[in-house]
Amino acid sequence: NAGVMQNPRHLVRRRGQEARLRCSPMKGHSHVYWYRQLPEEGLKFMVYLQKENIIDESGMPKERFSAEFPKEGPSILRIQQVVRGDSAAYFCASSSTGQTEAFFGQGTRLTVV
Amino acid sequence: SQQGEEDPQALSIQEGENATMNCSYKTSINNLQWYRQNSGRGLVHLILIRSNEREKHSGRLRVTLDTSKKSSSLLITASRAADTASYFCATDENNAGNMLTFGGGTRLMVKP
Repeated sequence: NAGVMQNPRHLVRRRGQEARLRCSPMKGHSHVYWYRQLPEEGLKFMVYLQKENIIDESGMPKERFSAEFPKEGPSILRIQQVVRGDSAAYFCASSSTGQTEAFFGQGTRLTVV
Repeated sequence: SQQGEEDPQALSIQEGENATMNCSYKTSINNLQWYRQNSGRGLVHLILIRSNEREKHSGRLRVTLDTSKKSSSLLITASRAADTASYFCATDENNAGNMLTFGGGTRLMVKP
């Protein structure tokens, strides 16, 4: 049973481009969470999704950021028109229910140049 | 200060010594978790302690929780160089389930 898989592991984008980050949850998990980690800081919650539904997006910036978790395929975190301040590590976690232990992926490190 | 604040922010010890890291939080919680993160890597779940538990052990790790003081501590005994990493506590404030609130972390360096 593979763990939470995130890809790419590293992503470089120029300012103004779009970044797409993918997360495949553990087998049997239908709850996905996205977090952002700035250098030398802890993780900050962004969005919580369950298959085809956004449950809570209170931590996600209102503009340029969107997330989805379609019926088939991985969850996608999309950042449009990236800026240097978007440079961070983005982590995905998954769980089988909303209250059971969440397992984290290795993260995607986004660098905006 | 933020929910789930750790102290100290950085800790340097010699191999074989014990390392103690503390975490404070503000709101009610159902559980508190500790994670380890090696430089540039993902998070590794270490231990979960529920609000009705006071102490929990896992190998060389000992976690305590004091809900009256809204604080927790992580003790690593007989530290090894491989324990060098950042350690984070995370809480499910206000029954938020896995929408965890992380502290800023303690950066532990264990010198061989």
